[in-house]
Amino acid sequence: KAGVTQTPRYLIKTRGQQVTLSCSPISGHRSVSWYQQTPGQGLQFLFEYFSETQRNKGNFPGRFSGRQFSNSRSEMNVSTLELGDSALYLCASSLGGQGLDEAFFGQGTRLTVV
Amino acid sequence: SQQGEEDPQALSIQEGENATMNCSYKTSINNLQWYRQNSGRGLVHLILIRSNEREKHSGRLRVTLDTSKKSSSLLITASRAADTASYFCATGSFGSARQLTFGSGTQLTVLP
Repeated sequence: KAGVTQTPRYLIKTRGQQVTLSCSPISGHRSVSWYQQTPGQGLQFLFEYFSETQRNKGNFPGRFSGRQFSNSRSEMNVSTLELGDSALYLCASSLGGQGLDEAFFGQGTRLTVV
Repeated sequence: SQQGEEDPQALSIQEGENATMNCSYKTSINNLQWYRQNSGRGLVHLILIRSNEREKHSGRLRVTLDTSKKSSSLLITASRAADTASYFCATGSFGSARQLTFGSGTQLTVLP
């Protein structure tokens, strides 16, 4: 069974630009969550999607948004990029019910804003 | 925000020794998961322990959970150089089971 796939693996963007990251979950998983990892703040929750609906959102500005498609693939978008948005962005895939299932992560997208 | 703290922040041991990492958290949880991360790459899922479980094993890994003390420990037995990585605990809370709150991580170095 294929794991969680994130594309692209690396991105370099300029301040003020926008960026879209993609995540394909494990087949059969309906929940996709996004996390930001930085040296200063560690791993922080961005949002979670289930069946194309955002179920939960972390404490990030509105420049961070996401969506999920009917095949459970998800994208996150960051508009008006700032230097502080440089980070490793990770998505996690899980079955998504209210049960106690594991969350599996992709390799991440390393975003550098210059 | 970080729910928990891992202890120690860094640990250096010789190959063959056991490594123990601890995680504390603040709120009630429904499960706790441990992950490994190599050099800024993705997180590898190691083990999940539910709030009604006290101990769980997987290969060379042993995880304990003490909900009364809001703490968990990860023991890696007979460590190998390949175990060198950062280890994180992540908690899922009731009502927001899909939102994981991560600790700050323990950097484990296993010397050959």
